[in-house]
Amino acid sequence: ETGVTQTPRHLVMGMTNKKSLKCEQHLGHNAMYWYKQSAKKPLELMFVYNFKEQTENNSVPSRFSPECPNSSHLFLHLHTLQPEDSALYLCASSQGVAGQNTGELFFGEGSRLTVL
Amino acid sequence: GDSVTQMEGPVTLSEEAFLTINCTYTATGYPSLFWYVQYPGEGLQLLLKATKADDKGSNKGFEATYRKETTSFHLEKGSVQVSDSAVYFCALHSYNQGGKLIFGQGTELSVKP
Repeated sequence: ETGVTQTPRHLVMGMTNKKSLKCEQHLGHNAMYWYKQSAKKPLELMFVYNFKEQTENNSVPSRFSPECPNSSHLFLHLHTLQPEDSALYLCASSQGVAGQNTGELFFGEGSRLTVL
Repeated sequence: GDSVTQMEGPVTLSEEAFLTINCTYTATGYPSLFWYVQYPGEGLQLLLKATKADDKGSNKGFEATYRKETTSFHLEKGSVQVSDSAVYFCALHSYNQGGKLIFGQGTELSVKP
């Protein structure tokens, strides 16, 4: 079992659907992250959680709603998405408090989202 | 603010060729520098890192040296294999940016047999 697990690996949804992405880390880390990876663009940091508390929201549209019920689980709730939201969504975790750690992140394999 | 610039890809090499992927950075203070690799269909994973000037990070035959005078952290490998085909990301970590990990845009490497 990998350290950071993301489900589903692939998701196709219409613009009016509601779906969720799930991330689980088995590394005992305290910080978790959502990144968006689009073709030909740099990785975009979306959200950061430290000890279940959201510490960063990089001007992400409200159609993306994160949830962190505990330090091991992170969700990204999706609703009324646009086709330009199609991308690979990567979850990551790190030891120590985000911003005070060493910079080493552990990534999941990503959830490939296609919005029709 | 702090930033990372990588050479554009894709880079296509024959097996056993020498690899260099250029990375330069702009940062205040003394960041740590990283190379992450993303193999097809996978997430990113740390390849190597260097935490201070003149440090050399190395792993799996890859090396990169933290050059403060040229603000660079170029990735090198003496003899690439087909299995090295992946996207390589240079990144910096700086407490000046709230401890964010700032990534370059990634460089795709394709190694042909």
